[in-house]
Amino acid sequence: QKEVEQNSGPLSVPEGAIASLNCTYSDRGSQSFFWYRQYSGKSPELIMFIYSNGDKEDGRFTAQLNKASQYVSLLIRDSQPSDSATYLCAVNIAGTASKLTFGTGTRLQVTL
Amino acid sequence: EPEVTQTPSHQVTQMGQEVILRCVPISNHLYFYWYRQILGQKVEFLVSFYNNEISEKSEIFDDQFSVERPDGSNFTLKIRSTKLEDSAMYFCASMSGGANEQFFGPGTRLTVL
Repeated sequence: QKEVEQNSGPLSVPEGAIASLNCTYSDRGSQSFFWYRQYSGKSPELIMFIYSNGDKEDGRFTAQLNKASQYVSLLIRDSQPSDSATYLCAVNIAGTASKLTFGTGTRLQVTL
Repeated sequence: EPEVTQTPSHQVTQMGQEVILRCVPISNHLYFYWYRQILGQKVEFLVSFYNNEISEKSEIFDDQFSVERPDGSNFTLKIRSTKLEDSAMYFCASMSGGANEQFFGPGTRLTVL
């Protein structure tokens, strides 16, 4: 069973702090890694993706990938109350255009 | 900004009835997907569609399910005889030919009574 694991949370951080969200995956053949944000009752919204080992920054968001450890993370700097949502890690195992395998998501709460 | 649209937003049906969920993918996208999310659970892949045929399907996507691209813009998911356990949010997603990012529609909440 090809799994994507996330801590369900909630992860609570104060406004302005850095939120760190983690994800591990079981299939070493995984090629692409995605972070989606999902507000309650809404659809997943793509935040960013990463393919190569290392860091990728986009505004307040940084994705980090370590293929040797089968680990991908998302850092959110200067967390805002509007960042409160469930963050879904998704993995594309078989290559471009193949299905996404999702984790259960981590619920983030940014407190005032 | 172009987006995936889905109709209806909420569908209530009786067990055993047929339902058709509709999606309009982003124009010029070539790859289309259906996912579902049972309340409180993870997003699960159902089926992918490319070049007018199914390219991949999950074990959930049994003979009760079918997909169709009846024209140049719509992409539909049909459930022939709904079961209680089909109650979920159904998301359509699409992807362009030169990228790897799937963009999701707002979803259809299906309630089977």
